[in-house]
Amino acid sequence: GDSVTQMEGPVTLSEEAFLTINCTYTATGYPSLFWYVQYPGEGLQLLLKATKADDKGSNKGFEATYRKETTSFHLEKGSVQVSDSAVYFCALSGDNAGNMLTFGGGTRLMVKP
Amino acid sequence: DAGVIQSPRHEVTEMGQEVTLRCKPISGHNSLFWYRQTMMRGLELLIYFNNNVPIDDSGMPEDRFSAKMPNASFSTLKIQPSEPRDSAVYFCASSLLEHIQETQYFGPGTRLLVL
Repeated sequence: GDSVTQMEGPVTLSEEAFLTINCTYTATGYPSLFWYVQYPGEGLQLLLKATKADDKGSNKGFEATYRKETTSFHLEKGSVQVSDSAVYFCALSGDNAGNMLTFGGGTRLMVKP
Repeated sequence: DAGVIQSPRHEVTEMGQEVTLRCKPISGHNSLFWYRQTMMRGLELLIYFNNNVPIDDSGMPEDRFSAKMPNASFSTLKIQPSEPRDSAVYFCASSLLEHIQETQYFGPGTRLLVL
């Protein structure tokens, strides 16, 4: 079945550091890929998504590129801020899954001033 | 749009009591999902509905859990009787079925504590 693996946290960075959170997936066909973010005490919010190979999703300075050859969708940001501290979830929606999402385990990011 | 609305936001109850969580999806959405989030198990899909019909309830932990969607604008998740291990944050999410692989929109969650 479909699965998503993302790096375990917590990831602790200083403000303005470069961020990478790795995400790899296993799925048949052509899934759509998502990054969701969960701020403390809140629900998950869509951060960005990509629906086909080589697409780049971007939002709020975050980017991720759908790499079918490496089955990856790594999240990057060039300069993190304290306000980016949150838990980040990688997810996929498979070809035959309707709108069901398969989530990774989440990666907690802590940004220190 | 008001987004997905969940109530209550916080619930504290005693073991053995019945708990009912409520969700109002985004107007026009016809897929609805219930999730549970804990530190130990992460985010788990409990059940989802398409056009008010339950499609997959394989994630419902046991018979103490039940979910209904009597109409397109309302769903409930009921736990009877509740147990301390049910303590978690429960999220509801909705999306538009006609758009395959469409974004799910999450509510703020209900934080449940069973004493």
